[in-house]
Amino acid sequence: AQSVTQLDSQVPVFEEAPVELRCNYSSSVSVYLFWYVQYPNQGLQLLLKYLSGSTLVKGINGFEAEFNKSQTSFHLRKPSVHISDTAEYFCAVPSHSSASKIIFGSGTRLSIRP
Amino acid sequence: NAGVMQNPRHLVRRRGQEARLRCSPMKGHSHVYWYRQLPEEGLKFMVYLQKENIIDESGMPKERFSAEFPKEGPSILRIQQVVRGDSAAYFCASSPGTTNTQYFGPGTRLTVL
Repeated sequence: AQSVTQLDSQVPVFEEAPVELRCNYSSSVSVYLFWYVQYPNQGLQLLLKYLSGSTLVKGINGFEAEFNKSQTSFHLRKPSVHISDTAEYFCAVPSHSSASKIIFGSGTRLSIRP
Repeated sequence: NAGVMQNPRHLVRRRGQEARLRCSPMKGHSHVYWYRQLPEEGLKFMVYLQKENIIDESGMPKERFSAEFPKEGPSILRIQQVVRGDSAAYFCASSPGTTNTQYFGPGTRLTVL
């Protein structure tokens, strides 16, 4: 069955430090991949998406992610984080059985220390 | 262009009562999706609807849960005889088509006492 794994449930970093949030997916076919961000007490906002083409995808708020087919990974990175990046981040893929269904990882809580 | 609207934002119910959650999709979107987020977990798909039709309800619990998206008005997720385990955040998303990006609402946080 398809799955998305986010190994880190929490990632604490200092302000202005770089960060990488890890995501691995399982799929035997071509995939689309998403990263969503959920700020405290808010809904999900699309950060970026990979559909095809360049494996390096740039998103909003200075985030980017790299699709690595050989490692089945789609890690999210930012070179310098701000306090405002404090949020929960979800990696996701659409289901092969039903494109309308998105399968989410369990989330990574990013906390920024001043 | 307003985003996906959900109301209420917070809902408190006692065990055995009914909960009704509403979702108004973005203008021009005819596809609605409901997801549930249990504490400390990611979102889990529940149901996908188009106007007047349930397309995929594979994630819906077999009992007490139902959803509709009438020709006029918002989509409704209805939970009958709520239990404590129903406490969660329920998110609605909409899209203009099946393969488009889904846009999420702010969610309804249901607390069952």
